[in-house]
Amino acid sequence: GAGVSQTPSNKVTEKGKYVELRCDPISGHTALYWYRQSLGQGPEFLIYFQGTGAADDSGLPNDRFFAVRPEGSVSTLKIQRTERGDSAVYLCASSPPGVSYNEQFFGPGTRLTVL
Amino acid sequence: AQSVTQLDSQVPVFEEAPVELRCNYSSSVSVYLFWYVQYPNQGLQLLLKYLSGSTLVKGINGFEAEFNKSQTSFHLRKPSVHISDTAEYFCAVCHTNAGKSTFGDGTTLTVKP
Repeated sequence: GAGVSQTPSNKVTEKGKYVELRCDPISGHTALYWYRQSLGQGPEFLIYFQGTGAADDSGLPNDRFFAVRPEGSVSTLKIQRTERGDSAVYLCASSPPGVSYNEQFFGPGTRLTVL
Repeated sequence: AQSVTQLDSQVPVFEEAPVELRCNYSSSVSVYLFWYVQYPNQGLQLLLKYLSGSTLVKGINGFEAEFNKSQTSFHLRKPSVHISDTAEYFCAVCHTNAGKSTFGDGTTLTVKP
């Protein structure tokens, strides 16, 4: 079956611009996660959705970052007034319902470059 | 709070040699433990996981890991590596009652002919 997909695969923008990154989770997965992976580092947690609501947004670095999942499926990560330090690969993952552990299925990521 | 330390940033080995990638974690509560592999230009793929029970966990591609609670370690091993095992490997922990995972900074495994 189809895995987690993310669009675009690459995004180049200028400092100060607004960007949206999209994640399509595996069908039927209720949990959705966003991570950010900077060069030479492991993924860093940003936000976690259970259904439509954000269950944990403690990883969002500041109020320029916002994410939504209005219908409990597709999610959009929104970054306002982008800064060069926002350049990274943004990863999305989803988990199926009814499991006692949090096995996460990852998408290929969106590489964001802020010039 | 949780943290993960991968003790080696790069591990070069020759084909058919054994390999161990080291991972130590810190947590004040029970956790689940994971190893992921990331091939160039691809997403993270789960290699294996420890949830409970037997401390020796077997995963895909001939990898295995051993959970050592007293040493808070979860080292990944393979008895004989192939060129195709060349990739970035990440150790991760997850609080048993939380959604998010905490990752180490990764170990680059390079298998040479």
